Amino acid sequence: GDSVTQMEGPVTLSEEAFLTINCTYTATGYPSLFWYVQYPGEGLQLLLKATKADDKGSNKGFEATYRKETTSFHLEKGSVQVSDSAVYFCALRRSGNTPLVFGKGTRLSVIA
Amino acid sequence: EAQVTQNPRYLITVTGKKLTVTCSQNMNHEYMSWYRQDPGLGLRQIYYSMNVEVTDKGDVPEGYKVSRKEKRNFPLILESPSPNQTSLYFCASSFTVAGELFFGEGSRLTVL
Repeated sequence: GDSVTQMEGPVTLSEEAFLTINCTYTATGYPSLFWYVQYPGEGLQLLLKATKADDKGSNKGFEATYRKETTSFHLEKGSVQVSDSAVYFCALRRSGNTPLVFGKGTRLSVIA
Repeated sequence: EAQVTQNPRYLITVTGKKLTVTCSQNMNHEYMSWYRQDPGLGLRQIYYSMNVEVTDKGDVPEGYKVSRKEKRNFPLILESPSPNQTSLYFCASSFTVAGELFFGEGSRLTVL
């Protein structure tokens, strides 16, 4: 079945460091891909998405590019801030009428 | 304010004592879903509902029941809670199953 694999955390970075969180997927067809973020004590919220190959999703300085050839959707940010500390979830949706499938999440801690 | 509201936010109960976690959304969303979040396991879907009176099992439905009698409400029922149901529970909703998911703030349940 469909699945999402994320790099295991926690990831600890200093402020202004470069961030990469790896995400690969297994799915038939051409799924849509998402990154959700969960700040401490809150529910998840959509960070960015891409619906077809080579699409780049971006928001709040974060970017991810849909790579069909490597079945990947890695999350990147050039300079992280303490306020980016959160748990990040990669997710996919295989077709329009199927629920999201989430990865296990990667906890990011940014220290000043 | 558009939101998904869960109650209670925190609950400690004992094995076998029936409980209900309520979920209500004010965005006229058709799709609603319940997840549980556990360390190392990420987010797993319990049940979802495409519309009123339509519910389906997710990945981990055992020990849970749901109902969708009204569009705005999607309660999660634990008829006979057990310690392995100790978890953080999230309700989420979207206009359709393909739409952006909006999450509640979570309900932390402890079963002794």
